[in-house]
Amino acid sequence: GIQVEQSPPDLILQEGANSTLRCNFSDSVNNLQWFHQNPWGQLINLFYIPSGTKQNGRLSATTVATERYSLLYISSSQTTDSGVYFCAVEPWAGGSYIPTFGRGTSLIVHP
Amino acid sequence: DGGITQSPKYLFRKEGQNVTLSCEQNLNHDAMYWYRQDPGQGLRLIYYSQIVNDFQKGDIAEGYSVSREKKESFPLTVTSAQKNPTAFYLCASRDRGQVGELFFGEGSRLTVL
Repeated sequence: GIQVEQSPPDLILQEGANSTLRCNFSDSVNNLQWFHQNPWGQLINLFYIPSGTKQNGRLSATTVATERYSLLYISSSQTTDSGVYFCAVEPWAGGSYIPTFGRGTSLIVHP
Repeated sequence: DGGITQSPKYLFRKEGQNVTLSCEQNLNHDAMYWYRQDPGQGLRLIYYSQIVNDFQKGDIAEGYSVSREKKESFPLTVTSAQKNPTAFYLCASRDRGQVGELFFGEGSRLTVL
């Protein structure tokens, strides 16, 4: 099956710093999403981004599907950005597109 | 409010007991998914359903069962055959089975004693 690798696995920042999270995938995919898992476990949708670049406030994302990677940028980080960031990609598998997750990047932002 | 409701949020069971986790959505979504998350791990797919009365096994279906009798409901049963059932279970749905954003419920945390 498809391999989804996220880096770095862990990241510690001081409030106000910028960061880049990366998602590499081993095969062609149809869709790609970025999620933030909050301390209570819920996954919050950040970006639905099969290709191109999107921005939402301090967050932006870029997917280069032909080179099989996506980047999530967090600028001016805040303590509320802490949590785990997942990317989910969708390869074609047996007749359907199946969302497949990476292992996540755990982010801690200190005040 | 439209959304995905999972219940219960926390559940404790003894070994050997079957457990059913509820997932209900009022978003009129066609596709629904069950994922399992272990500490420090990503999400692994248990079962998914693209349409009512049809469902497919995911990567880790052994020891689990599902049904999809209604569009809005996709319950997951964790059977006694599941060797290590303690985990965080997440239900998701989306509008059309092949494209579109995936949305998640708040999760159910199962602990088997």
